[in-house]
Amino acid sequence: GESVGLHLPTLSVQEGDNSIINCAYSNSASDYFIWYKQESGKGPQFIIDIRSNMDKRQGQRVTVLLNKTVKHLSLQIAATQPGDSAVYFCAENKTGNQFYFGTGTSLTVIP
Amino acid sequence: GAGVSQSPRYKVAKRGQDVALRCDPISGHVSLFWYQQALGQGPEFLTYFQNEAQLDKSGLPSDRFFAERPEGSVSTLKIQRTQQEDSAVYLCASSLWEGWPDEQYFGPGTRLTVT
Repeated sequence: GESVGLHLPTLSVQEGDNSIINCAYSNSASDYFIWYKQESGKGPQFIIDIRSNMDKRQGQRVTVLLNKTVKHLSLQIAATQPGDSAVYFCAENKTGNQFYFGTGTSLTVIP
Repeated sequence: GAGVSQSPRYKVAKRGQDVALRCDPISGHVSLFWYQQALGQGPEFLTYFQNEAQLDKSGLPSDRFFAERPEGSVSTLKIQRTQQEDSAVYLCASSLWEGWPDEQYFGPGTRLTVT
C-alpha cells in the first residue's frame, strides 16, 4: 500500500525577525539536550547544547531555554537570516550515549 | 579538518539484495553511532560503538541489520535481504568521548532506496 509521510510542524518568519522553535521531551530523567539544524541532503549539524543543571544557554544568535517542570525546550534564533532555513531537531539523552530525536520543525525564512 | 564521511551517498537495491554502508568517523573519535532517518522524521538510534565494542544495538529493527567496527575506526552497517521498509537515510555520527554524552558529529548520510 501507499505510505504516508509525517507532516513536519512548520514555521515561517520574515528575515530579520526572531524565531522560536519549541520541543517537548519525554523523559524527566534526561539530562542533556542538543539542538540540531538539518539542511536538505545533509546530516544534522550541532547548534547548541544544554545540560539539565541549567535553564538557559546562549550562543551566537541562538539561545536555548530548558523548562524541566513541563519538560520543554525552546530554541530562539535572533535576527533570522535566509541561511537559517532548515529543519530543526531537539535531541535528548536518556540513557548512556543514546540520543532520541523529536520529529523536527521546518523553518522557512522569507526574504 | 575532515568530518564524518559516508559512502555510498546513494544506493538503490532490489528487494532481497544485501547492502553494505560505510562510515569513516573523525579521526580519534572513540564513539560511533548509526541512525535511521525516514522521510519527514527525526533520526532514530540504531546502534553504538565505543572503539571496536558494540555496546548497544537495541535500536536495530531486525536481525537482518548488522553493524561492525573491527578496528575501532571505520564502521560498516550491513542490511541483509533488504525490504521496502528499509528505505531511509542512514546516518553515521561520531563523538570524541566515551564517558559523558557529548556532541555528535554527523556524516551526510546514505540514502537507501529499496525497489
